[in-house]
Order: sequence, then structure tokens, then C-alpha cells
Amino acid sequence: NAGVTQTPKFRILKIGQSMTLQCTQDMNHNYMYWYRQDPGMGLKLIYYSVGAGITDKGEVPNGYNVSRSTTEDFPLRLELAAPSQTSVYFCASSVEGDTEAFFGQGTRLTVV
Amino acid sequence: AQKVTQAQTEISVVEKEDVTLDCVYETRDTTYYLFWYKQPPSGELVFLIRRNSFDEQNEISGRYSWNFQKSTSSFNFTITASQVVDSAVYFCALSGVSSNTGKLIFGQGTTLQVKP
Repeated sequence: NAGVTQTPKFRILKIGQSMTLQCTQDMNHNYMYWYRQDPGMGLKLIYYSVGAGITDKGEVPNGYNVSRSTTEDFPLRLELAAPSQTSVYFCASSVEGDTEAFFGQGTRLTVV
Repeated sequence: AQKVTQAQTEISVVEKEDVTLDCVYETRDTTYYLFWYKQPPSGELVFLIRRNSFDEQNEISGRYSWNFQKSTSSFNFTITASQVVDSAVYFCALSGVSSNTGKLIFGQGTTLQVKP
């Protein structure tokens, strides 16, 4: 049981480039989330999904897009990368909205 | 608005000392959940505990204990007889039930360093 798997683990992007952070979970969880963690800060919610085909913005959605075509996958798309998007990105999933979230290992992204 | 405050940015203790990490929250929801997560130096987030707002019983799990006080909107975490392996960043988080989305509001985290 792999849990929540994120790829890649590390990435360096140039300003203006685009990329997709992959996230997949094998726990059949309905709820999935993307958070970013800036140095010395807590995690902030970027986007979330309560089920396949349903996504919604979190606290810091600007510059990102998501899709949820299957229960398992919740990719995060960065368009026109900016230095302000340098961060560690965490994908998470939960069974329901009131249960604990399980997190992936994180993706460390640097935009130069 | 929902908010979680962890006023202690960094704490340093010597092994075997007891240490308490503070967490204060704000929410308008009458039903909510509080969580603690541990982030060791390897970077992953490890779930420690989930507490329902209607359950104010303190909880103990080995060397870990949690004190939930609704009257002061606090959910403090105590490590008894700390060990070097407890060195990590600890996050307190809040989830309101009204939206039923599971969105977590995190505090800024407390970095705990346990010295041998």
C-alpha cells in the first residue's frame, strides 16, 4: 500500500516554464488536497477536491490549476512559473472531510 | 475566519526533559476537528492525533499527551521525557465541519530541538 505518491521529488524550473506535479493515491479516498509550504511557515491550501470531477480553490490558488478526472489522481499544473512559486508542495488525501489527511513526501520546487 | 496560532517558533530542550507545545485556535464553527502533525527532518508529514470539538477528554499515547481546553481555545501537546528522535517541526491544524471539505488551517509550526 503506497499511500499518497508525489512525483517528482525535486525540480528546478526557469521563470516562465510550466510543469505538472503528479499526485496519486491508492486508498480510494474521495478528498484530495494540494498544499504549499514556504520556509518557516505552515502549509497553505492551494486547491482541493471532494471527488472525481469536482475541484475548488483554496487559500492561494493564483498561478495554479488542477484537475480530478479519476479518484486516484490529482495533478497540479503550474503555468508560467514565477520565483514566488518556489516552495515545497504537498499532496494529501482523506477518506472524508472530517478524517485525518495522509500526506505525500512532498515536491521541492525551485524557480530561478 | 479560522486561524491557528503556534506562538513558539523554536524550542530547545535537553533529552529527558518534558516539553509542551502550545496551540491556540479561532473558529466560528461549533463542530470542528483539531490535529497535530509531526514533520521530521526528512520532510514528510506524520499524523499524530485528531480531536473532535465535542470531546474534551485529554489523551495520552505513550510519551505524548494532549490537553484540549475549549474554554481557552487551546490544544496543547506535551512530550514527556523527550528524546532526540522527537526533534522535528510540529504543526497544529484546524478543520471546520461546516464546509465538510476537510480543508486544514495550519499553524506556523514549532521547531523542537532535543539535544542529547
